[in-house]
Amino acid sequence: GQQLNQSPQSMFIQEGEDVSMNCTSSSIFNTWLWYKQDPGEGPVLLIALYKAGELTSNGRLTAQFGITRKDSFLNISASIPSDVGIYFCAGQGTRRGGSEKLVFGKGTKLTVNP
Amino acid sequence: GAGVSQTPSNKVTEKGKYVELRCDPISGHTALYWYRQSLGQGPEFLIYFQGTGAADDSGLPNDRFFAVRPEGSVSTLKIQRTERGDSAVYLCASGGGRGSYNEQFFGPGTRLTVL
Repeated sequence: GQQLNQSPQSMFIQEGEDVSMNCTSSSIFNTWLWYKQDPGEGPVLLIALYKAGELTSNGRLTAQFGITRKDSFLNISASIPSDVGIYFCAGQGTRRGGSEKLVFGKGTKLTVNP
Repeated sequence: GAGVSQTPSNKVTEKGKYVELRCDPISGHTALYWYRQSLGQGPEFLIYFQGTGAADDSGLPNDRFFAVRPEGSVSTLKIQRTERGDSAVYLCASGGGRGSYNEQFFGPGTRLTVL
């Protein structure tokens, strides 16, 4: 089946630092999504990317859809304590506009030291 | 609230028992998904509904798992003869509403523990 490789597995940073994490796939995706999950909660959508090469920002978050459609990265600038959590990338199918299943990475656990 | 809701939030059962997990999607969303998340892993797809029909059930691990969405809104995931390996967080997501394109919005999950 499809596999997503997400790295790093975990990060320990100081408040105010920038963070970068990425995801690679053996398969092409038409949509890349980035989610954040807090303990005991469901994943919360952060950014959605729909076009190869697309760069999208949401506040301090910036994500890019790789030109090969097999990778994506997420950057967080000027981290704050509430950024703590697990970040997941997810790729979605090959039918544009089709509401297909998401394939998730294993997550990047972020710890921010104040 | 306006988000996806799931009940119960926690379910403890004994091996061999039958369980039902419920999902209330966001109003107006036509697509509904079930995922399962084990500790330290990302969510794994189980089944996807478009309206009342199961459009893709390729993620269901075996025939002990079944899901329904009879009126195209609320969905129930049913697990027969539960096994200890079924213990996980079961997540529901909905999407396909106006303006949401391919995005999926998750509920808080049901934590299932099989003793």
